[in-house]
Amino acid sequence: GAVVSQHPSWVICKSGTSVKIECRSLDFQATTMFWYRQFPKQSLMLMATSNEGSKATYEQGVEKDKFLINHASLTLSTLTVTSAHPEDSSFYICSARVGRAGSPLHFGNGTRLTVT
Amino acid sequence: SQELEQSPQSLIVQEGKNLTINCTSSKTLYGLYWYKQKYGEGLIFLMMLQKGGEEKSHEKITAKLDEKKQQSSLHITASQPSHAGIYLCGAVNSGGYQKVTFGTGTKLQVIP
Repeated sequence: GAVVSQHPSWVICKSGTSVKIECRSLDFQATTMFWYRQFPKQSLMLMATSNEGSKATYEQGVEKDKFLINHASLTLSTLTVTSAHPEDSSFYICSARVGRAGSPLHFGNGTRLTVT
Repeated sequence: SQELEQSPQSLIVQEGKNLTINCTSSKTLYGLYWYKQKYGEGLIFLMMLQKGGEEKSHEKITAKLDEKKQQSSLHITASQPSHAGIYLCGAVNSGGYQKVTFGTGTKLQVIP
């Protein structure tokens, strides 16, 4: 149980286009999901907290207009990278917590974005 | 903000050897996760620690949280090639969403 599915696993897009990444909780409901970004050979950087039915909470330094987050249902959160540039190329990964606070986060397999 | 420092940054060990990875927090930890990642893939949950002095084990991996809840260690006994990967500690924020911020990571290689 507790599977988080992320799609696509990789995407290549041209500079200036937008890319949408989906994060689904397959066998549980997640009122909160977290989006992370990982640079090569570095740790995960928390970008934002996605809340079902309300606006996402962004970490300091993360552009909310660049990284649009929509949590439309209890099983789906999307991250849209708008007007992508090569510096947005990175590994994006989502996670969700099953049940009550204090339980572990379950992670998707990540999306590798390459902007050319 | 909470900062987590892991040491060492990378580690190469011979198969069968024991090893320890440390995670030190700049603030008292509300809770701490240990995860393993194959680079470019998702994270696999290993253990969660919440109480000062707590120790948990799973197979050949043991994690401890010190009494002051500012330092944790992950110990692997008799390492195997399957233990290779990136180990990350994550601090649980005491706020409502219980956000998790991750340490700098430790890359482990196990030589057969």
